[in-house]
Amino acid sequence: DTGVSQDPRHKITKRGQNVTFRCDPISEHNRLYWYRQTLGQGPEFLTYFQNEAQLEKSRLLSDRFSAERPKGSFSTLEIQRTEQGDSAMYLCASSLIGRTEAFFGQGTRLTVV
Amino acid sequence: AQTVTQSQPEMSVQEAETVTLSCTYDTSESDYYLFWYKQPPSRQMILVIRQEAYKQQNATENRFSVNFQKAAKSFSLKISDSQLGDAAMYFCAYRNEKLTFGTGTRLTIIP
Repeated sequence: DTGVSQDPRHKITKRGQNVTFRCDPISEHNRLYWYRQTLGQGPEFLTYFQNEAQLEKSRLLSDRFSAERPKGSFSTLEIQRTEQGDSAMYLCASSLIGRTEAFFGQGTRLTVV
Repeated sequence: AQTVTQSQPEMSVQEAETVTLSCTYDTSESDYYLFWYKQPPSRQMILVIRQEAYKQQNATENRFSVNFQKAAKSFSLKISDSQLGDAAMYFCAYRNEKLTFGTGTRLTIIP
């Protein structure tokens, strides 16, 4: 296993379009997190899963955002009707329950034009 | 809600010297973990060091060490013998169920 994998690495989309990102966590990790990071800022928590259950969603996650982890393995993050303010790096991380370290993927950079 | 504050947006240090990055946090919980993550220009977040709140002993990982002051809610990172490869954004993070990050400190190493 080579770590947390995110796809695509870069995405350019027109305002109003829908986009979907995928995250493959480290295989035995049952927790999966999504964060958003804008330039010069720290990552902001969006949501996290324990297995297939979505346990918490940030108020940052508007109704245009939805995340799933259908089989408790990979996860998808979808943004509908993208806005320029959605331009950011979207980071995924995974960890084990009871373990403290979260391991991050390389992120998906979204640019909305 | 937990908050993490990094009051130094930028720091610089001469190569081979020592630098300390500051972090304070706010929480009402007694059991938690604290981390320093490094984010090089490639943007992948890498764990540098962690500290369990119940441990009084400060964590050390090679050239990296922390000064954990639980009562003061302070968690600083000391980098000894700074190397060019240490140049990055450094984020302090607090964890209970999820990680809460500070705004980061950009560290520059001067050759």
